[in-house]
Amino acid sequence: DTAVSQTPKYLVTQMGNDKSIKCEQNLGHDTMYWYKQDSKKFLKIMFSYNNKELIINETVPNRFSPKSPDKAHLNLHINSLELGDSAVYFCASRDGHHNSPLHFGNGTRLTVT
Amino acid sequence: GDSVTQMEGPVTLSEEAFLTINCTYTATGYPSLFWYVQYPGEGLQLLLKATKADDKGSNKGFEATYRKETTSFHLEKGSVQVSDSAVYFCALTSGTASKLTFGTGTRLQVTL
Repeated sequence: DTAVSQTPKYLVTQMGNDKSIKCEQNLGHDTMYWYKQDSKKFLKIMFSYNNKELIINETVPNRFSPKSPDKAHLNLHINSLELGDSAVYFCASRDGHHNSPLHFGNGTRLTVT
Repeated sequence: GDSVTQMEGPVTLSEEAFLTINCTYTATGYPSLFWYVQYPGEGLQLLLKATKADDKGSNKGFEATYRKETTSFHLEKGSVQVSDSAVYFCALTSGTASKLTFGTGTRLQVTL
């Protein structure tokens, strides 16, 4: 009955590789997000989709490409991985109300060697 | 733009001590305010929220009051437990923005 689930939980890869992280939510929410958390726990929004439409695209290298096949899924593909991409990536979702909270997945710890 | 400022940690307390984690914000319009908690190895969980001035959010013994005059939303708990050890994030959403803006997080360590 997991609400927001991400796979994989851990991802270790070498520089230059391409990798994907998947996210699914079963809450019926319209909006989904990707956040990046660095080693100091700082959280930065990367992307947001509403009903499969991109609505937030912060200053993120274009090596990062989100894809939303339907409103329950938001995947993140990363090309040409760099050492600085090492972080924990969190998927989240929320419903359409202004005051509603985000529901987070448990994160994907990406380590680039 | 919107921003959230939290006190730097780590905060180390003995069990049953009183906790305050300060949070102030800058936002356009009338933001909604949140506290999230992140336990080790897990994602963030909503702890409490307040959507308008003078509202008090509360959950699991934690409280925070939305103070518009001081643009603050300080988190308090009267008696912390070891199980409260985690990182606490203050956050806001405002206007028509769909995103949540987070503070930098404050690590709380509670010892016996």
